[in-house]
Amino acid sequence: GNSVTQMEGPVTLSEEAFLTINCTYTATGYPSLFWYVQYPGEGLQLLLKATKADDKGSNKGFEATYRKETTSFHLEKGSVQVSDSAVYFCALSDGGGADGLTFGKGTHLIIQP
Amino acid sequence: DGGITQSPKYLFRKEGQNVTLSCEQNLNHDAMYWYRQDPGQGLRLIYYSQIVNDFQKGDIAEGYSVSREKKESFPLTVTSAQKNPTAFYLCASTEEGWWSGNTIYFGEGSWLTVV
Repeated sequence: GNSVTQMEGPVTLSEEAFLTINCTYTATGYPSLFWYVQYPGEGLQLLLKATKADDKGSNKGFEATYRKETTSFHLEKGSVQVSDSAVYFCALSDGGGADGLTFGKGTHLIIQP
Repeated sequence: DGGITQSPKYLFRKEGQNVTLSCEQNLNHDAMYWYRQDPGQGLRLIYYSQIVNDFQKGDIAEGYSVSREKKESFPLTVTSAQKNPTAFYLCASTEEGWWSGNTIYFGEGSWLTVV
């Protein structure tokens, strides 16, 4: 079956530091890949996505590149802010329908001023 | 604005009670989902529905029930058979299509606590 593996958290960084949150996946076929963000007490919001190999998703200074050769979709940001503190989920979809939606366990990011 | 509305935001349940969480969407999406999230854990699928009057069990359906009488509504009932219902519940929807790039949209979530 499909699976998504994220780095364990919490990840604690100082403001303006460089961020990388690793995500690797296993899936049959050619899935679409997503990063979702969850702020405290809220639902998940789509941060960015990529639907095919070598695509780069980007939003709010965050970027992730769909690497089929390494089955990875690492999230990066050049300079984090305190407001980026949240839980980040990597996810994949392999064809629509609930059976094809797989989430990682989430990475808690804490940014200190 | 289109979106998904969950209510109530906070709910307390006594032992032996059934409670129902509401989920309404005005995105005209065909597919709707219920997930459970426990502290420090990922999302686990409870039930999903791809069309009206049809729904399927997810990974942790025991102790839960759903209905899908209208396209825009997908309520979740947490029954007394669910032994550990305290969690954060998320409703979601997608526009079904032939390609796999569909984005899943989430509601704001409902906190359920057993007292």
